[in-house]
Amino acid sequence: QVQLQESGPGLVKPSQTLALTCSVSGDFISNGDYSWTWIRQHPGQGLEWIGHISYTGNAYLNPSLKSRVTMSVDTSKNQFSLNLTSLLAADTALYYCARLTPNWHIFDYWGRGILVTVSS
Amino acid sequence: DIQMTQSPSSVSASVGDRVTITCRASQTMSRWLAWYQQKPGKAPQILIYAATNLQSGVPSRFSGSRSGADFSLTISSLQPEDFATYFCQQADSFPTFGQGTKVEI
Repeated sequence: QVQLQESGPGLVKPSQTLALTCSVSGDFISNGDYSWTWIRQHPGQGLEWIGHISYTGNAYLNPSLKSRVTMSVDTSKNQFSLNLTSLLAADTALYYCARLTPNWHIFDYWGRGILVTVSS
Repeated sequence: DIQMTQSPSSVSASVGDRVTITCRASQTMSRWLAWYQQKPGKAPQILIYAATNLQSGVPSRFSGSRSGADFSLTISSLQPEDFATYFCQQADSFPTFGQGTKVEI
């Protein structure tokens, strides 16, 4: 069974950088069959795709966040990561990592999410 | 980018009711439309992919359809475990989601 688990700080200050990691089990990122995704959900609102990354490190990012987002992958640890810079209060959200299927373009496995609050 | 307008934002229904939720795409798109169910405190779970295909393990009372720019999710006979929030997601361009429909008792 594929499982994903987000980790990182729950509270960060405005203007700082958020660093989150997603650990994958039950599948190997290096298999190359899927893309690995970050999605966020603002409190009580809908979902926003942040971007996804392949095992080679090729990343596809939401144009609205592109200037502040970097993604990376560590196949030796079977993890992928998100960095979001210049944090604003509006970045407060529940951050999910998920697996994206290339054939049907769906997110078939998700982590449980990590709540990140941006506040001084 | 393709915007998805989802309606209604909420619906009150009873067990056994037929419920239909719709997403309208802002421009012509192919069949890469999926539906997810999300329960409080849980991550979304895929129900339907490619507009009409039922994900393995999902009850057959869920179905998806398409008419032009409108994509619909229908629950034929609402069960107690179906009270949740439902989202559509398109993947024709970079992925975007509808705003969600809360199905309430």
